[in-house]
Amino acid sequence: GAGVSQSPSNKVTEKGKDVELRCDPISGHTALYWYRQSLGQGLEFLIYFQGNSAPDKSGLPSDRFSAERTGGSVSTLTIQRTQQEDSAVYLCASSLRRGQAGELFFGEGSRLTVL
Amino acid sequence: AQSVTQLDSQVPVFEEAPVELRCNYSSSVSVYLFWYVQYPNQGLQLLLKYLSGSTLVKGINGFEAEFNKSQTSFHLRKPSVHISDTAEYFCAVSSAGGTSYGKLTFGQGTILTVHP
Repeated sequence: GAGVSQSPSNKVTEKGKDVELRCDPISGHTALYWYRQSLGQGLEFLIYFQGNSAPDKSGLPSDRFSAERTGGSVSTLTIQRTQQEDSAVYLCASSLRRGQAGELFFGEGSRLTVL
Repeated sequence: AQSVTQLDSQVPVFEEAPVELRCNYSSSVSVYLFWYVQYPNQGLQLLLKYLSGSTLVKGINGFEAEFNKSQTSFHLRKPSVHISDTAEYFCAVSSAGGTSYGKLTFGQGTILTVHP
């Protein structure tokens, strides 16, 4: 596609439920990132994928959060047993290759609301 | 570790007035610096970046920024703003070279509101 595509755009769930957020990066982009944008917290790095290398998971806030990237393309961020503090906009970004300093292309985000 | 401080959370200005959005950073290594813009209900878009060379960088929509290493600043400026510039602006930093892979540390954001 022309840009980074994320789904769903909005998700409302009940506390304790699991959610999956999907990201489809720009075709040909080998690097993929997940960020979280919360009110008062700014943008937090969550996880990074580059090709077939082991992902950098250093930003995941707890073991309830996990992500995978299948076939070097689509990525899914899973949040288990959601809590109210997980409410945020989850942004996915991709870039052409490693070392393409800072040229991240962002999707429009998935807004998660945990009731 | 790196950190970014955007000194103003909100900046209101009138149309056609000049604006400066302030950004300071902290890092123990050399850095790349960026400004991203986020329009309402949209993702972030790269406005401009400093990697090396001239400390004055020009970006899209008439914005420019100046890298000042001694003051560890990267302030964003525009000489005359338009209503359409109303958005949230994020300053970001990443490590330069080495194992850098584009992992960005963002500031808290500055909401620019342009009034007619």
